[in-house]
Amino acid sequence: QSVLTQPPSVSAAPGQKVTISCSGTTSNIGNNYVSWYQQIPGTAPKVLIYENTKRPSGIPDRFSGSKSGTSATLGITGLQTGDEAEYYCGTWDSSLSAEVFGGGTKLTVL
Amino acid sequence: QVQLVQSGAEVKKPGASVKVSCKASGYTFTGYYMHWVRQAPGQGLEWMGWINPNNGDTNYAQQFQGRVTMTRDTSINTDYMELSRLRSDDTAVYYCARSSSTFFDHWGQGTLVTVSS
Repeated sequence: QSVLTQPPSVSAAPGQKVTISCSGTTSNIGNNYVSWYQQIPGTAPKVLIYENTKRPSGIPDRFSGSKSGTSATLGITGLQTGDEAEYYCGTWDSSLSAEVFGGGTKLTVL
Repeated sequence: QVQLVQSGAEVKKPGASVKVSCKASGYTFTGYYMHWVRQAPGQGLEWMGWINPNNGDTNYAQQFQGRVTMTRDTSINTDYMELSRLRSDDTAVYYCARSSSTFFDHWGQGTLVTVSS
């Protein structure tokens, strides 16, 4: 059972937009920065979004992040088949004194 | 460029210990905390703890306390994670991940540890 809650799967057609939600509490998302990671099968996770909304250099602006209260959202526009992957949200939990992750969301581009 | 290169796959028996290394290059080794994250087959990410390479301070996730030890060797820019009293449910890919204060900006390639009798 993950501390952060994500939908197990989402899907959309190429070129469309999808959002992935991440729900937490005041101990984690509510008072700490959220980051998002993309993991293609067989490879290590890669950061897409950090500090709720920022993109590292090299990450296209098709990827966006937002946060409101105890929830965060990853948005992906102009979906491509190469976006098929598992997506994880992560943040620090002040009560647990631990980094926590969502259970992951599998994105399928139909 | 920043690189984190981990040691190779391991097969261990229940009750044994495993030590995974993570060699860093391309940045000032003592300037960034290193975290360890594991992923069981078909499962999500699980944080294990961090080490401050500057002074060796550590912080372990509660579920691993007493079984995990994180160390570093600043002379060769390498971090280590040792997990003892291995069980079958410790079978996982273990990643080192550099912390850029609020997120993990670089990850190692992962080390598969298989625990089987």
